[in-house]
Amino acid sequence: TQLLEQSPQFLSIQEGENLTVYCNSSSVFSSLQWYRQEPGEGPVLLVTVVTGGEVKKLKRLTFQFGDARKDSSLHITAAQPGDTGLYLCAGARSNFGNEKLTFGTGTRLTIIP
Amino acid sequence: DSGVTQTPKHLITATGQRVTLRCSPRSGDLSVYWYQQSLDQGLQFLIQYYNGEERAKGNILERFSAQQFPDLHSELNLSSLELGDSALYFCASSTSGTSGVYEQYFGPGTRLTVT
Repeated sequence: TQLLEQSPQFLSIQEGENLTVYCNSSSVFSSLQWYRQEPGEGPVLLVTVVTGGEVKKLKRLTFQFGDARKDSSLHITAAQPGDTGLYLCAGARSNFGNEKLTFGTGTRLTIIP
Repeated sequence: DSGVTQTPKHLITATGQRVTLRCSPRSGDLSVYWYQQSLDQGLQFLIQYYNGEERAKGNILERFSAQQFPDLHSELNLSSLELGDSALYFCASSTSGTSGVYEQYFGPGTRLTVT
């Protein structure tokens, strides 16, 4: 059962444009993480959001955790070719010491120079 | 560099064979996770070890097994290999903050090709 749905699955835009990727679930998560993965490499952690409504910024990337901690979004401003990659959200439901991440379906982003 | 190491980087083997993938977690991390990633399945959680003990199980086949050793490195054993086992296998390790947030750091992966 896939608990985290990401949209869109694929996105191809011109350099300089803005974009938003969504991560939705019917389940509540104790925290949510965003990763970026390049072909043949492991996912790289970008950010972790914990509090409902939390907004975190990482240069041109803005991450938001939904108030109910069931969904999240990633907004990229003025996209650059270096932003190209597979973006994965992952929700954690942790009983202390028994944590497990559930990964989303992924959004494959291509920025065209 | 995440600090998580995996060997080998690539592995090519035949159906029916057995292979062992190795992972060393980041210094100080007690938890190790194994994931499988194939084109049509996304990133699938297999199993977690914490300080040498199995902590959580995901979609791991009975042909697969793992263990974590006293020095905290982990091995994933895949046996009776089938063509469908061809995939990228990732190891991740985690640290826990006081808030109970478990951030996972991934290794570079092992690409397994079964022919």
